[in-house]
Amino acid sequence: KAGVTQTPRYLIKTRGQQVTLSCSPISGHRSVSWYQQTPGQGLQFLFEYFSETQRNKGNFPGRFSGRQFSNSRSEMNVSTLELGDSALYLCASSPAQGNTEAFFGQGTRLTVV
Amino acid sequence: SQQGEEDPQALSIQEGENATMNCSYKTSINNLQWYRQNSGRGLVHLILIRSNEREKHSGRLRVTLDTSKKSSSLLITASRAADTASYFCAPTTTGGTSYGKLTFGQGTILTVHP
Repeated sequence: KAGVTQTPRYLIKTRGQQVTLSCSPISGHRSVSWYQQTPGQGLQFLFEYFSETQRNKGNFPGRFSGRQFSNSRSEMNVSTLELGDSALYLCASSPAQGNTEAFFGQGTRLTVV
Repeated sequence: SQQGEEDPQALSIQEGENATMNCSYKTSINNLQWYRQNSGRGLVHLILIRSNEREKHSGRLRVTLDTSKKSSSLLITASRAADTASYFCAPTTTGGTSYGKLTFGQGTILTVHP
């Protein structure tokens, strides 16, 4: 089985721009979660989707949004980028509801200049 | 989900030695998971131990869980240079506001010297 695929792997954006990151979960997985990792804050939960519905959301401003498609692929969008949004964004998929093991992608490294 | 606190923050050992790292948490859990992250890459799931289990093995990994002390430990035996990574625990509760949410601490940075 192919693993979780995140695209792009690296991205450089300018302050004020917006960005869309993509995540393809493992085939058959219906739950997709997103995390932000920075040296200062560590790993922080952004949101989780299951069957195209956002079931949980972390403590991030409304500039961070996401969605999930019928094939379970997910995208997250960050609008009006700030320097502090520079981070590694990780996507994880799980086969079922509830907190079973999560399978992570390699991440998208976003740099905001 | 609640945040686990890993201890120590950093651990440096020689190849062949055992490495033990600990995780403490605050409230009741359904399971506890351990993950590994190589520098700048995604997390890899290592092992999940349920609240009714006390010990679990997977290859060179041994995890224990003491729910009375609200703590877990991860033992890596006969460590290798390739085990160099950050290790995170994620104590989890299922359902409700915990859906899909894993909460990680700052992790333990393990360095294994050849």
